[in-house]
Amino acid sequence: AQSVAQPEDQVNVAEGNPLTVKCTYSVSGNPYLFWYVQYPNRGLQFLLKYITGDNLVKGSYGFEAEFNKSQTSFHLKKPSALVSDSALYFCAVRDGESGAGSYQLTFGKGTKLSVIP
Amino acid sequence: EAGVTQSPTHLIKTRGQQATLRCSPISGHTSVYWYQQALGLGLQFLLWYDEGEERNRGNFPPRFSGRQFPNYSSELNVNALELEDSALYLCASSWGLGQETQYFGPGTRLLVL
Repeated sequence: AQSVAQPEDQVNVAEGNPLTVKCTYSVSGNPYLFWYVQYPNRGLQFLLKYITGDNLVKGSYGFEAEFNKSQTSFHLKKPSALVSDSALYFCAVRDGESGAGSYQLTFGKGTKLSVIP
Repeated sequence: EAGVTQSPTHLIKTRGQQATLRCSPISGHTSVYWYQQALGLGLQFLLWYDEGEERNRGNFPPRFSGRQFPNYSSELNVNALELEDSALYLCASSWGLGQETQYFGPGTRLLVL
């Protein structure tokens, strides 16, 4: 079974400061990891993913994430937060080595990011 | 390139009725996934279709069903609606079996009264 934990329900950060949204995962095989963002009353927008290769992944809107295999973490980061980054952020995982039954994503509960002007 | 589209945007039903939700994937995508986002429960996987076949389903009762058409669009049917079925239903699509990135539509908000 695969699972994702986002330990913080809410993260508050001042505009211009760096931000981090935490995510840890559990899968039996190699992890495929994703970050999505959801604005109010909207669907999910894809931000970035880690499949293989460099542990630091760069994505949309200046976001990046660092894959840490030993800590089973995939934290989302941005050097300088914008008020427009305020939204709900979801981390997701799927097992890259499982059979056809595991292609769906397992999501964390989400972290609400508030960037304060 | 058009994204994933869903209809209707909002749907209001009463207990015991049936709801039908529709999804059109990104052009060229053959896999369609359905997720339920209920308040306080996060995103939960419902169904996955690829090339017209149901490939997997989540831990939901049989009254949640669907199908995928030859043009790869998909329909989610919820029979005998219950109050707790009120949620945002999200559809996602990807290039095909095993392709990793899923792209989501805006969702259909279902309210059961």
